[in-house]
Amino acid sequence: AQSVTQLGSHVSVSEGALVLLRCNYSSSVPPYLFWYVQYPNQGLQLLLKYTTGATLVKGINGFEAEFKKSETSFHLTKPSAHMSDAAEYFCAVRGTGFQKLVFGTGTRLLVSP
Amino acid sequence: DAGVIQSPRHEVTEMGQEVTLRCKPISGHDYLFWYRQTMMRGLELLIYFNNNVPIDDSGMPEDRFSAKMPNASFSTLKIQPSEPRDSAVYFCASSSEVNTEAFFGQGTRLTVV
Repeated sequence: AQSVTQLGSHVSVSEGALVLLRCNYSSSVPPYLFWYVQYPNQGLQLLLKYTTGATLVKGINGFEAEFKKSETSFHLTKPSAHMSDAAEYFCAVRGTGFQKLVFGTGTRLLVSP
Repeated sequence: DAGVIQSPRHEVTEMGQEVTLRCKPISGHDYLFWYRQTMMRGLELLIYFNNNVPIDDSGMPEDRFSAKMPNASFSTLKIQPSEPRDSAVYFCASSSEVNTEAFFGQGTRLTVV
């Protein structure tokens, strides 16, 4: 079985500051890991994903995440926040061999000028 | 490709009425997922299909909910009778064996009054 824990339902940063959104997962098989972003009244859009290979993955809009197996983590970072990054971010896990995506509860990112 | 298409975008109905939500997956995708999003429970997987066959419906809340996929390009989620607690945003998503991620539609916002 797979599960995801996102620490912090809300994260507030200033424009230009580092963004760090935390995600820890549990999986009984090697995981595929994802970050999705949701803007108001929109569907979920894929930011980035880890499947195999390089553990540091880069996504759209300057975001990146690092898969750390020893820590069962997949934290999302961006060096410099922009106002347009304000949205809700979801971490998700899928076990290899399974198609079902399990989502965390989401973290709302607030960016202040 | 136009992406996953859901209709309607918004639905307001009275308690006790039947509600039908519709989804057209991305052409060539053989997995289809129905999710429900609420403030209290986050993103919940209701049911998913592979090659038009329901694989896991353990997330369907109760018998009032049913889902069908009569062909590879169309799926419905029906609620009969609807109740105010069914008010939520319902998302449809699709994926394929080749993809590792799911692609989401824009969602249907259901309000039951």
